[in-house]
Amino acid sequence: AQSVTQPDIHITVSEGASLELRCNYSYGATPYLFWYVQSPGQGLQLLLKYFSGDTLVQGIKGFEAEFKRSQSSFNLRKPSVHWSDAAEYFCAVGLRSGSARQLTFGSGTQLTVLP
Amino acid sequence: GAGVSQSPSNKVTEKGKDVELRCDPISGHTALYWYRQSLGQGLEFLIYFQGNSAPDKSGLPSDRFSAERTGGSVSTLTIQRTQQEDSAVYLCASSSRQKSFQETQYFGPGTRLLVL
Repeated sequence: AQSVTQPDIHITVSEGASLELRCNYSYGATPYLFWYVQSPGQGLQLLLKYFSGDTLVQGIKGFEAEFKRSQSSFNLRKPSVHWSDAAEYFCAVGLRSGSARQLTFGSGTQLTVLP
Repeated sequence: GAGVSQSPSNKVTEKGKDVELRCDPISGHTALYWYRQSLGQGLEFLIYFQGNSAPDKSGLPSDRFSAERTGGSVSTLTIQRTQQEDSAVYLCASSSRQKSFQETQYFGPGTRLLVL
């Protein structure tokens, strides 16, 4: 079965600093890959997704992610973090085959932004 | 337009009671999902509805959990004889079709369930 690992439970960065959130997946083939953000009291919002093609994916709010097949990774990056980016971030994978259409999520990374 | 809505936003119940959680998907979305988010955990898939097809119930943790979707729209997740370990945030998502993952899943704000 596929799995998703987000090794960092909690990350703290200063406003204006760069950010990288790690995501590794375990799956026999290239899955569909997603990053979602969850702000307090809010539902999950899709930041970006990767299906195929260019391995560097641009998303909303200035986020990007790079798919690296050799490392089974899909890390999320932002060059300059804003205080409003403080939230919990979830990486997710979806199967490319079979009837299952649910997403498998990582356990999340909580981002704190210092002024 | 309106997003996915869920009710109630919070529910406190006593162990052993039954609870019903409601999800209103985005109008026209044929696919509907329920997930559970326990404290410190990622989201755990529970059940998936697609149109008139039989639901995928492979994620339901026990037979105390059930869900239905009436008229291809509103869905209700029912937990019978609740246990303290059922305490979690229950999230609903919908998407317009599921021929591929290129259809994004849109999530509701969730129902926070606390079983005392």
